[in-house]
Amino acid sequence: VFLMQSGAEVQKPGASLKLSCQASGYAFINYYMHWVRQAPGQGLEWMATINPNGGGTSYSQTFQGRVTMTRDTSTSTVYMELSSLRSEDTAVYYCARAWGNSLFRPTATFYYFEHWGQGALVTVSS
Amino acid sequence: AIQLTQSPSSLSASVGDRVTISCRASQGISSALAWYQQKLGRPPKLLIYDASILESDIPSRFSGSGSGTDFNLSISGLQPEDFATYYCQHFNSYLQAITFGQGTRLEIK
Repeated sequence: VFLMQSGAEVQKPGASLKLSCQASGYAFINYYMHWVRQAPGQGLEWMATINPNGGGTSYSQTFQGRVTMTRDTSTSTVYMELSSLRSEDTAVYYCARAWGNSLFRPTATFYYFEHWGQGALVTVSS
Repeated sequence: AIQLTQSPSSLSASVGDRVTISCRASQGISSALAWYQQKLGRPPKLLIYDASILESDIPSRFSGSGSGTDFNLSISGLQPEDFATYYCQHFNSYLQAITFGQGTRLEIK
């Protein structure tokens, strides 16, 4: 299993950001995917989840209205778009793959993060 | 939303020690809890899921316990590579929301 994330970005306040995460080494549609971020020196913060099989999504209320997660099954890639950026959005953004296979594992296991991308540092600054 | 409160926030220990980190949920969450280890500049690593099941390739000196509102991560016989930050995490199926504890930093004494 390998998750390759897009690279570091510098964005201005008010702009939008779109990060990608390409998965390989497993059956993409069978595992939920997630985005988690970590501000400098801070803890982990969940942002969004997608079921690649059908595209259903869940979003943290913290980001409701600003975040959109999508997937492209033809390239095994998930995307996370965050709009109206502010300085507080400066963070390392990680994609993560679920532990549980959605075909036969309990639902709770779709929300444990077994594999992680390398992270992408996003800096929001004027 | 369910809150996860870890204690202590930081902890100093020596190689060979046994340590326990607590994670308390603001309401009962059955056993739907995971623990992660994160080292500086690296993504987190899954250690324990379903409160007490050890992830593959994780050393047996790590163990998890608890259910309901009180959970523990224990590390027996601390090794130099265990000094890191640890997080607990829960998925609330009703609210479709994932919560992390604030983290516990384990430092070498």
